[in-house]
This record gives sequence, C-alpha cells and structure tokens, in this order.
Amino acid sequence: QKEVEQNSGPLSVPEGAIASLNCTYSDRGSQSFFWYRQYSGKSPELIMFIYSNGDKEDGRFTAQLNKASQYVSLLIRDSQPSDSATYLCAVPTSGTYKYIFGTGTRLKVLA
Amino acid sequence: GAVVSQHPSWVICKSGTSVKIECRSLDFQATTMFWYRQFPKQSLMLMATSNEGSKATYEQGVEKDKFLINHASLTLSTLTVTSAHPEDSSFYICSARDYGQGYTFGSGTRLTVV
Repeated sequence: QKEVEQNSGPLSVPEGAIASLNCTYSDRGSQSFFWYRQYSGKSPELIMFIYSNGDKEDGRFTAQLNKASQYVSLLIRDSQPSDSATYLCAVPTSGTYKYIFGTGTRLKVLA
Repeated sequence: GAVVSQHPSWVICKSGTSVKIECRSLDFQATTMFWYRQFPKQSLMLMATSNEGSKATYEQGVEKDKFLINHASLTLSTLTVTSAHPEDSSFYICSARDYGQGYTFGSGTRLTVV
C-alpha cells in the first residue's frame, strides 16, 4: 500500500513567520511531488511541484525534496492570514498518473 | 493556465434519484481525467480514472454500477451518481492532466442527498 503522510495539524504560526509543512511518502519510485492548497469548501489549487532533490523557490514558497529520506516539505515565508488553509501533498504513483494525497496539514496564520 | 470547469457546483437531490456531474477541460485536451470524493475534514480519495474512448478504471471499493463515468470526448467527462442515497453526500472533484502543468482540479460539486 503506497502511502503519503502528513501531520494533520493545525499548525499555528504568527503572521510574518515561516510555516514549515512536511510530507513523507513510501514509494521510492516516485519522481514528482506536488503541493496543493485547499480552502474550506473549495477544490485544491496547485502551489508548486518539484522533481529534483534540493530546493525550489517560487515567490514566498519553497519546496524541498530529499528522495533518500523520502520526504518533501513546503516552506511559506512571511506567512499571511490568507495562507490559512489545508495544504495537501500529492505524489503520483510510480508508473501511473494517479495521485496519492496526504491527509493534509491545516495551517492557521494568526494576525 | 489550464482550466477545468465542473458543473454543477452544488446539487440537492432526493434519495433514489440520479445526478450527473460534468467536468470539462476548457483550453486543453485531456485523455485522462480523475474523479475524487472528499468527505468533511478528510483528504481526497480517488474514485476512478476516466479514459477517453474507453471504460473507466475504478478504485477498489467503488461501485462502478453506482458511479457511472463517461468520457466521450477529449474535453468532457461525466460522473453520474445513480440511485443516490444520503451516504453519497460528499464533495466530488474532477481533475485533468495538462502536460507540463501537472493536474488541474475542477471547482468541485457538493452533493447533498435528502
């Protein structure tokens, strides 16, 4: 059973701080990793994806991937109250196009 | 960027009736679309993979006769919940793969069966 695990939270951070969200996966063959943001009652929206080990930055967001340790993380710098949402880690099953989603981490940014 | 349109955004139906949900890729062709279901405070659970011109592939535990999927064109997939019951009430979301863009989700359909 391929799995993607996230801490459900809630993770509370003050406005302006760095929020760190983590995700571990079990399929060593996974090649790509996606972070989605989901506001309550809405569908997920893609924040960023990462394929290579190391860091990938996009604005206030940085994805970090460590394939040897099988974890991927998302850092949100200068967190804003509007960043309060559930963040889903998604990992396509190797050899298929099917995503496996983590349960999501609920982030609360306190004004 | 890629846009996936999903309709209706919400629907209330009586127990025993059927409901059809449409998912369209607006600016790209999608040979594969996915249908998910999400219960409150839970993650997305893949129900089935919709393949253009062929039968859908259902995940274990999903009744294919209850959740009918049709993917008749490269831009349209439909999910029909047949003989709906209150336990089918959920948030249904489709997604499609746009090469190079990852997966884009529709806006979701909140189904309430009364």
